[in-house]
Amino acid sequence: KQEVTQIPAALSVPEGENLVLNCSFTDSAIYNLQWFRQDPGKGLTSLLLIQSSQREQTSGRLNASLDKSSGRSTLYIAASQPGDSATYLCAVRPGAGGSYIPTFGRGTSLIVHP
Amino acid sequence: ETGVTQTPRHLVMGMTNKKSLKCEQHLGHNAMYWYKQSAKKPLELMFVYSLEERVENNSVPSRFSPECPNSSHLFLHLHTLQPEDSALYLCASSQARTGAKYEQYFGPGTRLTVT
Repeated sequence: KQEVTQIPAALSVPEGENLVLNCSFTDSAIYNLQWFRQDPGKGLTSLLLIQSSQREQTSGRLNASLDKSSGRSTLYIAASQPGDSATYLCAVRPGAGGSYIPTFGRGTSLIVHP
Repeated sequence: ETGVTQTPRHLVMGMTNKKSLKCEQHLGHNAMYWYKQSAKKPLELMFVYSLEERVENNSVPSRFSPECPNSSHLFLHLHTLQPEDSALYLCASSQARTGAKYEQYFGPGTRLTVT
């Protein structure tokens, strides 16, 4: 059974810092990995999706990398801003031959203070 | 309207009531999902409907019953709920076919409070 762990569980940083959020998974036979952002009491917003054949994806100040063999993905946030404050979740989708249902981590709660 | 919409956004119901949550997607996807999100717990998959697969989480009580009349609409019928069912209920959709990305898009959620 796939298990997804996100470290740290919570993070508080001053504005302007570069951040790394971690997502690890136990079964490396994945189809893809998706990073989401969730504001309090709201739905999830898709940030980046990395296919199993890819090493990284970039969108603006966000960069997500994937190392399938070691079961790890990182979300890099450059020059953090207070508006980045949210919970960040990763979801891993199983590889070919299995269900496409994703497994979610518990998330990293990020606070960026001015 | 675009994306994934959910109604109502907030719902307060007594334990003897019957209500329904509605989800609609305007993305042309063929798979729809219900998730439950309780405080300080990971996202819990409840049900999935798609052309390829229907999945039910066996731990979901029978007081929750899903209905998917077509690929754009998904309902969650609620009856005789318990206070511990209070949570944020999220709907999502994706494309689900061989070769697709299966990228999920979520609705804003329904905040349910059972009194």
